Amino acid sequence: DIQMTQSPSAMSASVGDRVTITCRASQGINNYLAWFQQKPGKVPKRLIYAASSLQSGVPSRFSGSGSGTEFTLTISSLQPEDFATYYCLQHNSYPLTFGGGTKVEIK
Amino acid sequence: VQLVESGGGLVQPGGSLRLSCTASGFTVSGSYMNWVRQAPGKGLDWVSNINTGGSPQYGDSVKGRFTISRDNSKNTLYLQMDSLRAEDTAVYYCVRSLGGAETNWGQGILVTVSS
Repeated sequence: DIQMTQSPSAMSASVGDRVTITCRASQGINNYLAWFQQKPGKVPKRLIYAASSLQSGVPSRFSGSGSGTEFTLTISSLQPEDFATYYCLQHNSYPLTFGGGTKVEIK
Repeated sequence: VQLVESGGGLVQPGGSLRLSCTASGFTVSGSYMNWVRQAPGKGLDWVSNINTGGSPQYGDSVKGRFTISRDNSKNTLYLQMDSLRAEDTAVYYCVRSLGGAETNWGQGILVTVSS
């Protein structure tokens, strides 16, 4: 099984900060990587698919990059509504696996 | 586009439950359909999917206990859950196409396994 290691597991940041979250795969997954945002008590929402494609309706301050085994989600200027938990998902091979999550909290 | 889950609830360890996910606005048979779960206070966990050809795949923790299926005439996805354990307690989400361009999530349904 492919392990997805997300870092950091939690972070504090201020409005306006540039935030980067990393996901490392235990083996190559091409670009079969998606990023999700989840707020407490809410349904997860996909932000990025195919490693770098922005989901329709998602603000352009979110971007994804990477290929192979290392991927990043970047929020260029953190907004109040961005405080949430973020997950990566690899869908290159079965079983599909999520990262452990990154909780972004207000500093 | 809408996905509506039903069938959750409280069940004893070792028991069975069948979840349903009724879709509208698209055809279940034309998409990779998934079940994803989230235990209380924990992260997301992929459970199973069924591809457009009808072939199922399962996560390691549910293989041999859970069965995914669909009824094209009812445009509905199912998850038959047998030999349930306390660690299966979670909110279960029905998800259209985790990786494709079009994706949708249901609102989630709670399954509680407890005596």
